[in-house]
Amino acid sequence: ETGVTQTPRHLVMGMTNKKSLKCEQHLGHNAMYWYKQSAKKPLELMFVYSLEERVENNSVPSRFSPECPNSSHLFLHLHTLQPEDSALYLCASSLAGGSRSISYNEQFFGPGTRLTVL
Amino acid sequence: GEDVEQSLFLSVREGDSSVINCTYTDSSSTYLYWYKQEPGAGLQLLTYIFSNMDMKQDQRLTVLLNKKDKHLSLRIADTQTGDSAIYFCAANTGGFKTIFGAGTRLFVKA
Repeated sequence: ETGVTQTPRHLVMGMTNKKSLKCEQHLGHNAMYWYKQSAKKPLELMFVYSLEERVENNSVPSRFSPECPNSSHLFLHLHTLQPEDSALYLCASSLAGGSRSISYNEQFFGPGTRLTVL
Repeated sequence: GEDVEQSLFLSVREGDSSVINCTYTDSSSTYLYWYKQEPGAGLQLLTYIFSNMDMKQDQRLTVLLNKKDKHLSLRIADTQTGDSAIYFCAANTGGFKTIFGAGTRLFVKA
């Protein structure tokens, strides 16, 4: 596997279910991101991890819970979601210069998980 | 905070040039990017420009930056049907937060 991979590619869940999205990067990067992409809003940054430490948390509801066990893996745990949470969830990674400094910070994106909440 | 705006649709004929425009609000934006998203895929960085540059050319792509007006454009020369995609303008003011526009959907007619 190369680049950034995401599983599953499609997910349908009920509002009472608990599921997890997985992202894996094979690029040796040290920063990973979760974005939400929906028809109503442009790309919304949800969470950022740098060196496995969460550095951005953009007022995301607690029904979304990220986890970054190491620099290659990122999870998004989902529970009691709402139909308006249906969207494409994109993972990205980049090579940051340090915990706060960046170079031009090119982000490499995975193909996304298309989530439908019934 | 930073806001990035771009038109939603552009339609061109194959072989013509495409120009996609973008405006941003934060004058301290350090890097400005153009990403491309094809159906069923994530975003892919096409090119970027540093804020102290006016222009950057990369094969068929030309990026123009007007820092005074906070205006960025992407020109695609000799547009092909394979260029049909959504193009996102994005700005980074430092740190990890990159702000994306809503995306311009480019239609290329054969």
